Amino acid sequence: ETGVTQSPTHLIKTRGQQVTLRCSSQSGHNTVSWYQQALGQGPQFIFQYYREEENGRGNFPPRFSGLQFPNYSSELNVNALELDDSALYLCASSSGVGYSGANVLTFGAGSRLTVL
Amino acid sequence: AQSVTQLGSHVSVSEGALVLLRCNYSSSVPPYLFWYVQYPNQGLQLLLKYTTGATLVKGINGFEAEFKKSETSFHLTKPSAHMSDAAEYFCAVSDPRLADMRFGAGTRLTVKP
Repeated sequence: ETGVTQSPTHLIKTRGQQVTLRCSSQSGHNTVSWYQQALGQGPQFIFQYYREEENGRGNFPPRFSGLQFPNYSSELNVNALELDDSALYLCASSSGVGYSGANVLTFGAGSRLTVL
Repeated sequence: AQSVTQLGSHVSVSEGALVLLRCNYSSSVPPYLFWYVQYPNQGLQLLLKYTTGATLVKGINGFEAEFKKSETSFHLTKPSAHMSDAAEYFCAVSDPRLADMRFGAGTRLTVKP
């Protein structure tokens, strides 16, 4: 079975620009979660998508938005980039009813975003 | 609200020595607890999880963790460290009713030959 794949792996943007990160979930998984991992910190939950709907959101501003497609792949969009948005963005997929509690998250290798 | 505290941002052990990585959690409901490992330039990989039942949980690569409710702890251990264990380790807690998982800040494990 294929794992979680993310693209691009690295990218550099300037402040104020917009970025789109993509994620293909593991085969058989219907839920996608996005996390932001700043340097030297643990991942922080951004949001989760289940059945193409946002199923939960962390403490991130509205300029962080997402989509889930019928094939369960997902996009993370960040508008008006700020320097503090520089981080590793991790996508994780899981199966089940959309709750992370009992469902094991399978993580991708991440997209490293640098904002200059 | 749930939270995790990992005691010690860096732990160094000799090859063959005991590995002990500490994790304390805070949760208003019975928690689900996880340990993940992250190798350089890779995503997080699940080592083990506790949901309900037996409090001693065995995971991959010889790691195990014990859920101690009275101490609100979920420490990770391995009897004998191997050079390949060098990585970043994250403890995480989740509320089964919610979508998010709360991670600790991580502990970097170094294994000396």
